[in-house]
Amino acid sequence: NAGVTQTPKFQVLKTGQSMTLQCAQDMNHEYMSWYRQDPGMGLRLIHYSVGAGITDQGEVPNGYNVSRSTTEDFPLRLLSAAPSQTSVYFCASSTPHGGGNTIYFGEGSWLTVV
Amino acid sequence: KNEVEQSPQNLTAQEGEFITINCSYSVGISALHWLQQHPGGGIVSLFMLSSGKKKHGRLIATINIQEKHSSLHITASHPRDSAVYICAVNSGGSNYKLTFGKGTLLTVNP
Repeated sequence: NAGVTQTPKFQVLKTGQSMTLQCAQDMNHEYMSWYRQDPGMGLRLIHYSVGAGITDQGEVPNGYNVSRSTTEDFPLRLLSAAPSQTSVYFCASSTPHGGGNTIYFGEGSWLTVV
Repeated sequence: KNEVEQSPQNLTAQEGEFITINCSYSVGISALHWLQQHPGGGIVSLFMLSSGKKKHGRLIATINIQEKHSSLHITASHPRDSAVYICAVNSGGSNYKLTFGKGTLLTVNP
């Protein structure tokens, strides 16, 4: 199993450009989430999905869009990049809470908006 | 919203020392996670706890639900333990909506 795979690992965007961060998992997990990590702050939830076709907003959703057409994939789209979106982005997947279930993170995507 | 506070923010230890990192949260939870992040690296789940204590190798995690407090202990610390340790909590029984602490940066010197 590859676990959670995120691409790209590094990206530089110009203000106003759009892009998609890809996230794929091969563990058949129902739950997938996107977080951003900024210096001096804990990770914050952007969007999440509890299954194919179902998405919802997290704590900081503005400027981002998601879709979940398959169980495996959960892409994050930046509609019109802004410098405030410079951050490290993590995708995560997990099974419904219960027992010893845990959460798996991707390796992160470093995004700089200039 | 659940507030998650970790202490200390930074911790420097000598190899072999016993390490304790603390996590407190403000409202009831269904589970608490301890995560590890190496510099420039991804995030790895160490433990998920809903009660009591768990042990894996030199790592021990405990939780006191009544006191809304958890600790992560590292016995016989080693320079490879140097990383950021992050506490995160589930509220409402969901594994997809976590609230994270800001992390504790641990440096273990040889």
